[in-house]
Formats: sequence, structure tokens, C-alpha cells
Amino acid sequence: DQQVKQNSPSLSVQEGRISILNCDYTNSMFDYFLWYKKYPAEGPTFLISISSIKDKNEDGRFTVFLNKSAKHLSLHIVPSQPGDSAVYFCAASDPAGGTSYGKLTFGQGTILTVHP
Amino acid sequence: ETGVTQSPTHLIKTRGQQVTLRCSSQSGHNTVSWYQQALGQGPQFIFQYYREEENGRGNFPPRFSGLQFPNYSSELNVNALELDDSALYLCASSFIGRKLFFGSGTQLSVL
Repeated sequence: DQQVKQNSPSLSVQEGRISILNCDYTNSMFDYFLWYKKYPAEGPTFLISISSIKDKNEDGRFTVFLNKSAKHLSLHIVPSQPGDSAVYFCAASDPAGGTSYGKLTFGQGTILTVHP
Repeated sequence: ETGVTQSPTHLIKTRGQQVTLRCSSQSGHNTVSWYQQALGQGPQFIFQYYREEENGRGNFPPRFSGLQFPNYSSELNVNALELDDSALYLCASSFIGRKLFFGSGTQLSVL
């Protein structure tokens, strides 16, 4: 049961254009969402997050949009740069209780390639 | 401030053997989580440790076990290795929050 899905295995964009990565989820208990970026031979690196009480969060070139009714979120990168080429993972968290929230449910990832 | 470090970086074992992977969490972080990432997949949650006790477990059999030490470092132990255990094993740490900081992982190959 894949609770978090990234249906596009790969995305190719031109430098300077917008990259849009999509993510769908099924578990309505999820209330916090994150995007991670992963380069080969490195661990995932946190990029940006959003709480379910918001519908948009922005950090520099990165913006995450959340549509709770559609159970859909997207990551926009503007403008895209060649250094953004990596695997992008969407992840979701539900309120497990207590102060430990080490469990994230990840999507399968989308390989983003930004061409110069 | 040091980040999350994992050792070893690569490991080759044969089926039926046992393996121990190690993780040093980021300074000040009291929660450690372990993830398994198979080729072409996203990381899958194995378990987490908080204050030296297992505090949440994913869909993994009991032959996957762990420890967290007073200095918040952690070990992942896998007994009776199977071919399907070949994967990248990621350790992540956090402190009162849902943003996890990951290490670079241990690539385990089971032959």
C-alpha cells in the first residue's frame, strides 16, 4: 500500500525554466509534508516542508503547494539550475504522539535533470 | 556542529550472516531512525529510537533490531541475512521536530 506516490519517475527541464514535481498521498492523517533532495552517494538533504494548516510555503527558489482536498502537493523550483539535478523525494508524517517523529513515509522519488 | 555519520560506507555479506551498522547522530539530537532504501525506491522506515528505547517500528521482521546508546549513537543489527536485504541503509536523527537529518548511508550487498 503506497501511501505517498510520485507518479513521474523523471523530469527534464531547461536551465532557467520552472521545475514542477508532484506528489499524491492517500492517508488523511498526514499533517506535515517534506521534500528531500538526494545526490548519488549522499543521504537525503532536507529542502522544504509544509504543515497541513498552510497551503503554501516558500524558501528562496523553492515553493511547496499543498492541496488537502485533492491530497496533492507540488514542489516548484524557479529558476531551475543545473545543480538542482538530483532525485527528489516527497515525504509525509502523521502525529505519532509524544516528541519523537522519526517516521516519515516517502514516495518513490523523481529524478530531475536540468539541462544547461 | 557535526552531522549524522554512518559506518561502514559499504559492506558485503553472504546469506545467513549477521551484520551491524553504526550511526552517530547529529549533536543535540535525541531521536534516531533507520531506513532501508532499495534500488529505485524511496526510503522505508524500519524503526526509531528515543531515549534508548524503540519507539515506533515499520513493517520489518524481528531479525531487524537496534540499539540507541546514552550518547544517542545507534546500531542497526540484521540477523540471518537474505538476498532481499541488499539495500542502502540510512540513519537519520532529529530533536523535537519532524525534520530529519540523514547520514550518507551504508550500502549493504548480500551475496
